[in-house]
Amino acid sequence: AQSVAQPEDQVNVAEGNPLTVKCTYSVSGNPYLFWYVQYPNRGLQFLLKYITGDNLVKGSYGFEAEFNKSQTSFHLKKPSALVSDSALYFCAVRAARGSQGNLIFGKGTKLSVKP
Amino acid sequence: KAGVTQTPRYLIKTRGQQVTLSCSPISGHRSVSWYQQTPGQGLQFLFEYFSETQRNKGNFPGRFSGRQFSNSRSEMNVSTLELGDSALYLCASSDGTSGRVDTQYFGPGTRLTVL
Repeated sequence: AQSVAQPEDQVNVAEGNPLTVKCTYSVSGNPYLFWYVQYPNRGLQFLLKYITGDNLVKGSYGFEAEFNKSQTSFHLKKPSALVSDSALYFCAVRAARGSQGNLIFGKGTKLSVKP
Repeated sequence: KAGVTQTPRYLIKTRGQQVTLSCSPISGHRSVSWYQQTPGQGLQFLFEYFSETQRNKGNFPGRFSGRQFSNSRSEMNVSTLELGDSALYLCASSDGTSGRVDTQYFGPGTRLTVL
């Protein structure tokens, strides 16, 4: 069965410092991996995705993610955190085979960036 | 392009009632997926529609149903509401073209409260 794990419920970072939000996955075959962000009382906003190719994926708002097949990880990173990055972050996966509509989400990681 | 719109944004119902939620996808998108978000279970996939046909379905009881119209707008219906149905219901649209791995773009959600 496909699954996604976000091992940290919360990540605290000082503004200006680099941030990492962790994600590991389990899927049969090649994974399609996504990161979304959710602000309070809002829907999910797409940040980036990995389909194939370069292991370092660049996305919106200065975020990037590194795909590591051997460690089955897809960690989200940003070189310099902003207070406005504080939000709930979700990692999601879908197997290469199967319907496009079914994203499996992690439980989410709350990112708190302090001034 | 306008984003995904969902109506209504907030709903309060009582147990035993039924409810219909609406989603208008991004113009040109033919796939609509629905997700339920709760604090306890996180984000869970309900179903996906493409060209008026249900293409995939999550593990929810038959009280949850949906449909898609020829203009790609979608509705989901929950009959005989239970307290546990209180959640944020998110709609996501994507191009849906067969064979591609599309990005899903989410609407702001409908907050359903069952009393």
